[in-house]
Amino acid sequence: EVVLTQSPGTLSLSPGERATLSCRASQSVISSYLAWYQHKPGQAPRLLIYGASIRATGIPDRFSGSGSGTDFTLTISRLEPEDFAVYYCQQYGRSLYTFGQGTKLEIK
Amino acid sequence: QMQLVESGGGSVKPGGSLRVSCAASGFTFSDHYMTWVRRAPGKGLELVSYISSGGITTYYADSVKGRFTISRDNAKNSLYLQMNSLRAEDTAVYYCARDRGYNYAAFDVWGPGTMVTVSS
Repeated sequence: EVVLTQSPGTLSLSPGERATLSCRASQSVISSYLAWYQHKPGQAPRLLIYGASIRATGIPDRFSGSGSGTDFTLTISRLEPEDFAVYYCQQYGRSLYTFGQGTKLEIK
Repeated sequence: QMQLVESGGGSVKPGGSLRVSCAASGFTFSDHYMTWVRRAPGKGLELVSYISSGGITTYYADSVKGRFTISRDNAKNSLYLQMNSLRAEDTAVYYCARDRGYNYAAFDVWGPGTMVTVSS
């Protein structure tokens, strides 16, 4: 089973700043099968990025994904107040889907 | 408009059973793998189970194997999760989600979730 480790666990930033979230896999992940989600309390998770770097429908271009192999990054170029949430990476491989443990992005 | 709506959550005693359902609309349900994902209080997202588009292949997390059963009715555009021998640690919001497929693996449509509480 591929284990995804996200860092940092909590990221404290101010609106307007740049956020960089990391997702490291225990084994190489096919880029087509790496996704990022945003989750806010009381709401369903929202797909942000799939295929490691493709923005999902309706996602603002301040969100971008990059990486390959075992290291992937979600970048939010300039934080808006509505971006403070928990972010998860997720992969599919060998017939298993796994999530990272999440990064909480909080207002500083 | 693509939509998933869960139903059937509620409160149940430990050892009890519950069946949650997910109604799909706005897309060809039979083309997609479907999943159940849960978020327990204070914890992260956990994939509980998935089922292939035709219903042949299923997967269960170790935490629910032997107690939960996933199924689907493509004629009714519906997904189900039968939960037996429920434990306190099964308390969570349960979401159904669609795998977009088409050479990618990502959950692009989610339901609003249904709360399951297991408590004596």
